[in-house]
Amino acid sequence: ILNVEQSPQSLHVQEGDSTNFTCSFPSSNFYALHWYRWETAKSPEALFVMTLNGDEKKKGRISATLNTKEGYSYLYIKGSQPEDSATYLCAFLFTGGGNKLTFGTGTQLKVEL
Amino acid sequence: GAGVSQSPRYKVAKRGQDVALRCDPISGHVSLFWYQQALGQGPEFLTYFQNEAQLDKSGLPSDRFFAERPEGSVSTLKIQRTQQEDSAVYLCASSLEPKTTLHFGNGTRLTVT
Repeated sequence: ILNVEQSPQSLHVQEGDSTNFTCSFPSSNFYALHWYRWETAKSPEALFVMTLNGDEKKKGRISATLNTKEGYSYLYIKGSQPEDSATYLCAFLFTGGGNKLTFGTGTQLKVEL
Repeated sequence: GAGVSQSPRYKVAKRGQDVALRCDPISGHVSLFWYQQALGQGPEFLTYFQNEAQLDKSGLPSDRFFAERPEGSVSTLKIQRTQQEDSAVYLCASSLEPKTTLHFGNGTRLTVT
């Protein structure tokens, strides 16, 4: 059974704070790591797809890094805003696993004024 | 263009009833996935289609669950003789090609009473 773990489970920050959370995954047979943002009452939205060790991706105030050798990815949000409040999901794709993504349980972020 | 559409948005079923959940993927998307998300958990893989072929149904929890995509477009997830443990959000996602970014629908929240 593959385990994709995310921490923390939930996070409350103040507007303007920078924050980061972690996704841990098996380091063997790595193919890709996805990050999704899921706002309440909406559909999950793709943030990043990362495939190479050492990859860094950025989208506005959100960025992510990837370490496939040790099996972790960090998601960073700079200057959090209330609209960043959402559940952030990471998902792991491994070689030999077909096409299915294995998701973590998510980090629920609440940004307060 | 139109995103992934799921219907109904909410479904309440009495224990023992059959339900059918519909997914309309983005036009031209080859891959289609069904995921189940129970409260407090991450999305759990149910099944995967490539065009009309169901290539992986390893995540279907019992033989009460059945999915089809007969013409390689719209998909239906059917649950027979629903049980309380089937209560969850059922997410459908499609992607243009295997192993690429998933585009999710809003999900169907099923409550079995």
